[in-house]
Amino acid sequence: EVQLVESGGDLVQPGGSLRLSCAASGFTFRHYAMHWVRQAPGKGLEYVSTISTDGDRTDYANSVKGRFTVSRDNSKNTLYLQMGSLRPEDMAVYYCARDASGSCYLDFWGQGTLVTVSS
Amino acid sequence: QSALTQPASVSGSPGQSITISCTGTSSDVGAYDYVSWYQHSAGKAPKLIIYDVNKRPSGVSSRFSGSKSGNTASLSISGLQAEDEADYYCSSYTSTDTGVFGGGTKLTVL
Repeated sequence: EVQLVESGGDLVQPGGSLRLSCAASGFTFRHYAMHWVRQAPGKGLEYVSTISTDGDRTDYANSVKGRFTVSRDNSKNTLYLQMGSLRPEDMAVYYCARDASGSCYLDFWGQGTLVTVSS
Repeated sequence: QSALTQPASVSGSPGQSITISCTGTSSDVGAYDYVSWYQHSAGKAPKLIIYDVNKRPSGVSSRFSGSKSGNTASLSISGLQAEDEADYYCSSYTSTDTGVFGGGTKLTVL
């Protein structure tokens, strides 16, 4: 059974940092590109970051470029999102999701982890 | 990349059919047959219900169907059921090798 389990969400002050993790199981992790998607309170889904199978290609939403870094450890079947210079508008539930084909259809999602940015 | 355009809300009675539109541009929806749709209920993970415009993942009801014409994709749900009440999001692959979501549509089953 495919499982994606996010962790690391927390309350952090503006300007602070946080690292999210996504533990994958039930499939060959290194074969799939992965995404981070977020949903801010009362808002829709937003692609945050994408990473290729071997990690050599990454992409970011303009809203987080230069502040967030996505990475993966295929030996540990884990996806990461290092978040820095956090802003109140970064407050959201963050989901990791598997890209089934490289064409951005996300066939499995985690349950999400909540990031709260507030002083 | 600008979000795809969806109606904010749609509604229908049990047993009826509804359609949700998703309008993009010639750089996303119009350029590729890589439109997907997701069903999202509060507190749950989003669920893929349509991919590659009109394909259904295993286990998804045949009441859900997708189509595309030009820069606009559509999700249709027939035989509405109370359990279909949720938020629905479209997504498309884009010319910048990224994905973009629609703003989401809240479906109310009356």
